[in-house]
Amino acid sequence: AQSVSQHNHHVILSEAASLELGCNYSYGGTVNLFWYVQYPGQHLQLLLKYFSGDPLVKGIKGFEAEFIKSKFSFNLRKPSVQWSDTAEYFCAVNADNYGQNFVFGPGTRLSVLP
Amino acid sequence: NAGVTQTPKFQVLKTGQSMTLQCAQDMNHNSMYWYRQDPGMGLRLIYYSASEGTTDKGEVPNGYNVSRLNKREFSLRLESAAPSQTSVYFCASSFTLGQPGETQYFGPGTRLLVL
Repeated sequence: AQSVSQHNHHVILSEAASLELGCNYSYGGTVNLFWYVQYPGQHLQLLLKYFSGDPLVKGIKGFEAEFIKSKFSFNLRKPSVQWSDTAEYFCAVNADNYGQNFVFGPGTRLSVLP
Repeated sequence: NAGVTQTPKFQVLKTGQSMTLQCAQDMNHNSMYWYRQDPGMGLRLIYYSASEGTTDKGEVPNGYNVSRLNKREFSLRLESAAPSQTSVYFCASSFTLGQPGETQYFGPGTRLLVL
């Protein structure tokens, strides 16, 4: 079965600091990879996704993620965080021929201090 | 477009009571999903509907039933609520399950408290 792990439960940064959130998955086949963000009191929104092509994916709000197949990883990065980036971030995986399951990681809560 | 809508936004139930959570999407998506979100556990799939007329169990289906009423609507029913079902429930939809790069779109969630 697929599983997704996220390295940090809670990350606290000051504004302008760089961010990297780790995500690893267990499935060995072809995968689609996603990062979602959930701002306080809101629903999940797609930040970015990878399903083929350039392993460095750029998303909204200055976020990017790099797919490293050999490491089964899809880490999220942002060079300079803002207070408005305070949210919970979820990594998700969907196997290309696995059909139904989008498997989500447990989430990483990011707190950005002004 | 409203996207994915859910009702109610918040509900308190007593143990043993039943209720139905409603979900609708106006994006002409074929596939719809129900998740529950619990602290430290991310989102777990309860049931999904790959297309109108089909439903299948996800990771945590026990205690729930679903109905794909039509292409737009997908409801989740708790027949006899238990405190363990206290959670935030999210409905999602996607154009066609299993397509490369398929993306899910989420509703605002329903907070359910079972006493």
